[in-house]
Amino acid sequence: GNSVTQMEGPVTLSEEAFLTINCTYTATGYPSLFWYVQYPGEGLQLLLKATKADDKGSNKGFEATYRKETTSFHLEKGSVQVSDSAVYFCALERPHTGFQKLVFGTGTRLLVSP
Amino acid sequence: KAGVTQTPRYLIKTRGQQVTLSCSPISGHRSVSWYQQTPGQGLQFLFEYFSETQRNKGNFPGRFSGRQFSNSRSEMNVSTLELGDSALYLCASSLASAGGGTDTQYFGPGTRLTVL
Repeated sequence: GNSVTQMEGPVTLSEEAFLTINCTYTATGYPSLFWYVQYPGEGLQLLLKATKADDKGSNKGFEATYRKETTSFHLEKGSVQVSDSAVYFCALERPHTGFQKLVFGTGTRLLVSP
Repeated sequence: KAGVTQTPRYLIKTRGQQVTLSCSPISGHRSVSWYQQTPGQGLQFLFEYFSETQRNKGNFPGRFSGRQFSNSRSEMNVSTLELGDSALYLCASSLASAGGGTDTQYFGPGTRLTVL
């Protein structure tokens, strides 16, 4: 079946440090890949997405590249801020199935200290 | 453009009761999906509606049901509540098209349900 594996958290960093959150997937065909972020007490916000191999999604300084050869979609940011503290979810969706259904990873909590 | 709205934001019920949650999608979006988020099981897909029809359903008991109205607003209902139903229920909408087309899903803030 389709699944997403994320690195365990929490990830604890100091402000301005480099961030990597690993995400790998298992899916048939060519899924679309997403990163969503959840701030405390809120719903999910779309952070970035990529729909085909070698696509790079980017937003607010975050980037992730769709690597089909390694089935990965790792999230990176060059310099994190305290305001980036949140839970990050990697997700996939198989297009052209006739319905919407996101499959999520378990989430990775990021804690950034001043 | 207004985002996805969900009401109520918080709800407290007791075991055995039933509950109805509401979701208003982004204007123009015809697909509405529901997800359950718990610390133990994470984010799990409940069901998706498109043009008032359920297109897909996750692995949840029949106590969980939903519907969609002609204006694309959706409701989900949980009957005979159990303690394990305590969760954040998230609604998402997308510009999915007829014929099985899919698109990026945008989420609402969720309804926090507590079952005592």
